[in-house]
Amino acid sequence: GAVVSQHPSRVICKSGTSVKIECRSLDFQATTMFWYRQFPKQSLMLMATSNEGSKATYEQGVEKDKFLINHASLTLSTLTVTSAHPEDSSFYICSARSAGLVTEAFFGQGTRLTVV
Amino acid sequence: SQQGEEDPQALSIQEGENATMNCSYKTSINNLQWYRQNSGRGLVHLILIRSNEREKHSGRLRVTLDTSKKSSSLLITASRAADTASYFCATENSNSGYALNFGKGTSLLVTP
Repeated sequence: GAVVSQHPSRVICKSGTSVKIECRSLDFQATTMFWYRQFPKQSLMLMATSNEGSKATYEQGVEKDKFLINHASLTLSTLTVTSAHPEDSSFYICSARSAGLVTEAFFGQGTRLTVV
Repeated sequence: SQQGEEDPQALSIQEGENATMNCSYKTSINNLQWYRQNSGRGLVHLILIRSNEREKHSGRLRVTLDTSKKSSSLLITASRAADTASYFCATENSNSGYALNFGKGTSLLVTP
């Protein structure tokens, strides 16, 4: 299947700093990328949907100024957690899909963010 | 938003036994998918069943779909310790660019 690479896999940062997470589709063009957040022992919650070249659409309750999403190319989307706080500590996962409606989504390996 | 509810939330079995997980969803669907997640890792797609299908097989996996009851089940036969993981059902959300809405998941533990 298609490969989605997410980097870094783990990051520890200090409160108040910003962290950027990258999501790349390695062998296909991702017209749409999705960012999810997962707390321990819980399910994945959709944060935002981004289409290449346009602004991301955020789910209700997700602060767009705090979680900056850029989808500048068909193979790269980035999520920047700005002014991170300990409550932002979580597992962030991206997924990507190519054009077409009934396709499986391909997921990155996830990023474990710890804010200290 | 979460679409599905899985049960059981946790399941512990011995190697060789079968594991059955159930998922219910709320809205109409085009398809339903099952994913596996090892602890602290990304998700791996297992199987997709379309709304006009009732049953699908893939290796040791058997998925059923009952659209009248808005439910699906995942059966893993002859389980192995390596099957230990969390399993999620997911449906597409057409309002969010076909992002996936995930159920709460079933945590499966297979002991040798």
